[in-house]
Amino acid sequence: EDKVVQSPLSLVVHEGDTVTLNCSYEVTNFRSLLWYKQEKKAPTFLFMLTSSGIEKKSGRLSSILDKKELFSILNITATQTGDSAVYLCAVQGGSEKLVFGKGTKLTVNP
Amino acid sequence: NAGVTQTPKFQVLKTGQSMTLQCAQDMNHEYMSWYRQDPGMGLRLIHYSVGAGITDQGEVPNGYNVSRSTTEDFPLRLLSAAPSQTSVYFCASRPPRQAGANVLTFGAGSRLTVL
Repeated sequence: EDKVVQSPLSLVVHEGDTVTLNCSYEVTNFRSLLWYKQEKKAPTFLFMLTSSGIEKKSGRLSSILDKKELFSILNITATQTGDSAVYLCAVQGGSEKLVFGKGTKLTVNP
Repeated sequence: NAGVTQTPKFQVLKTGQSMTLQCAQDMNHEYMSWYRQDPGMGLRLIHYSVGAGITDQGEVPNGYNVSRSTTEDFPLRLLSAAPSQTSVYFCASRPPRQAGANVLTFGAGSRLTVL
């Protein structure tokens, strides 16, 4: 059965800090790993990763995948209070299903 | 394009009542799915469909039925609601896998309370 484990489950930092969120997975016939951000509504898409070692970047957010070690990290530099959210990691394997982890709740204090 | 539309946004039921959560998308997406989200549990897949007439179970299908008679609509039915089904429900869809995109588009969510 496909499995996604995110760590930490919760994180509290101060504005300006850099954070690293972790996602490890077990999946049959890996196809892609996705990161979503969820504030008090529906999740919004951040990144999709399919190849090892290629960093995806959007402003202060970046992510990279390691298919050999079966994990991904999401980095946020110079955090702002607007980064406070739940960050969700999901993987798709050989089936059509997208399986999510439990999420990391990030709180950025001013 | 309205994207993915879910109704109702909020619903309160009594134990044993039935109801249907509606989901419609206007993006011609073949894949549609229902998730439930509980505190600290992330998103758990209930049922999904890869096209009209085809449905399959996810991680937590018990107590829920689905059907997919058209590409646009994917309703989720609770035949006899239980307090354990109190949750926020999200419908999500995406293009066919061969289109090269696995990115789900989510509806706004439906908050269901079962008393």
